[in-house]
Amino acid sequence: GAVVSQHPSRVICKSGTSVKIECRSLDFQATTMFWYRQFPKKSLMLMATSNEGSKATYEQGVEKDKFLINHASLTLSTLTVTSAHPEDSSFYICSASRTSGADTQYFGPGTRLTVL
Amino acid sequence: AQSVTQLDSQVPVFEEAPVELRCNYSSSVSVYLFWYVQYPNQGLQLLLKYLSGSTLVKGINGFEAEFNKSQTSFHLRKPSVHISDTAEYFCAVLSSGGSYIPTFGRGTSLIVHP
Repeated sequence: GAVVSQHPSRVICKSGTSVKIECRSLDFQATTMFWYRQFPKKSLMLMATSNEGSKATYEQGVEKDKFLINHASLTLSTLTVTSAHPEDSSFYICSASRTSGADTQYFGPGTRLTVL
Repeated sequence: AQSVTQLDSQVPVFEEAPVELRCNYSSSVSVYLFWYVQYPNQGLQLLLKYLSGSTLVKGINGFEAEFNKSQTSFHLRKPSVHISDTAEYFCAVLSSGGSYIPTFGRGTSLIVHP
């Protein structure tokens, strides 16, 4: 159990377009979902934390107007990269927890975004 | 505040040799500790976790880790590695109370040579 999926796994888009990435918990209800960005050879950078039905909490330095996060249900969260630019190219990973407390995070397989 | 230090960015080892990946943390309160593995172009997979109880934790794929409170460490070990263990390994700490947002180390790249 505790499977998290992401879609798409890979996306290439033109500069200036918007891209939506979906994160789904397939066999459990996720009270909390996290969005990370991972640069090559680097650790995970937490972008934001979202609880179902609430506005996402963004980490310092992350533009909330550029990275729109919606956690509309207990099994789905979306990250929309608006007006993407080449510097937004990265590996985006989501994770989900059953609770908002001290709980294990289950990670999705990641989405490779390339902005041309 | 909590932090995690993975002392080795890269650990090369020969197949069937033992390996230890080091992780030290700092936190002013009780902690929960995790090790994750990431294979190329994939998300992270939970290897093992320490929440409470026995300080020796056994995980998947033959890995184990020991929580040492006095040394604030949670080193990951495997007695005999395989080629397939080549991957990036991340240690993470989560402090009790507060926001329950984990902090990840920078990762250790385990490279197993034949």
